Amino acid sequence: QQQVKQSPQSLIVQKGGIPIINCAYENTAFDYFPWYQQFPGKGPALLIAIRPDVSEKKEGRFTISFNKSAKQFSLHIMDSQPGDSATYFCAASIYNNNDMRFGAGTRLTVKP
Amino acid sequence: NAGVTQTPKFQVLKTGQSMTLQCAQDMNHEYMSWYRQDPGMGLRLIHYSVGAGITDQGEVPNGYNVSRSTTEDFPLRLLSAAPSQTSVYFCASSYYDPLKNSGNTIYFGEGSWLTVV
Repeated sequence: QQQVKQSPQSLIVQKGGIPIINCAYENTAFDYFPWYQQFPGKGPALLIAIRPDVSEKKEGRFTISFNKSAKQFSLHIMDSQPGDSATYFCAASIYNNNDMRFGAGTRLTVKP
Repeated sequence: NAGVTQTPKFQVLKTGQSMTLQCAQDMNHEYMSWYRQDPGMGLRLIHYSVGAGITDQGEVPNGYNVSRSTTEDFPLRLLSAAPSQTSVYFCASSYYDPLKNSGNTIYFGEGSWLTVV
């Protein structure tokens, strides 16, 4: 039973579009929510993360929106570029606990 | 800077064979882990270690063994390979910085592609 549910499985947008990837979690003890980006043939790498004391966090073109009451969080990519084409994983864990639970992943394609 | 290094990159095994996936990190992280990545399943934790001499099971530990004799190395052993163990395996290390208001950043290796026939 997946503790973090991610959608959609795949997403295709045009360059400049704003892809949105959604995640929902069940365990209310989770209080750290990172997103990882994975390029083909590589390991995932941390992109951006949020804790539930804020509802939004922005780093460059990447924004996490967090809704604690709904137990949902999402990743928005502003002005998407072909170089953003990758697989994105949301994840959740209890703060300072290394047992990270990952979503199933979203394969994003940004067309030129 | 090497980070997390995994070997081999690719391996084909016959059912019933055993093998060890090697993992080493040079960041002096206490915490290391092994994940497997399967289509539609995301990354699932196999085993983890919070320090030398200490290991524990993750979500999907069956069929795998680990040991942690040093801070740097965390090998994953497949005891008797089965086709269900065909997957991409990622070793990772992480640390917690109490001075930063953030969780644990996980650093992944580049993966080991394993096929069991």
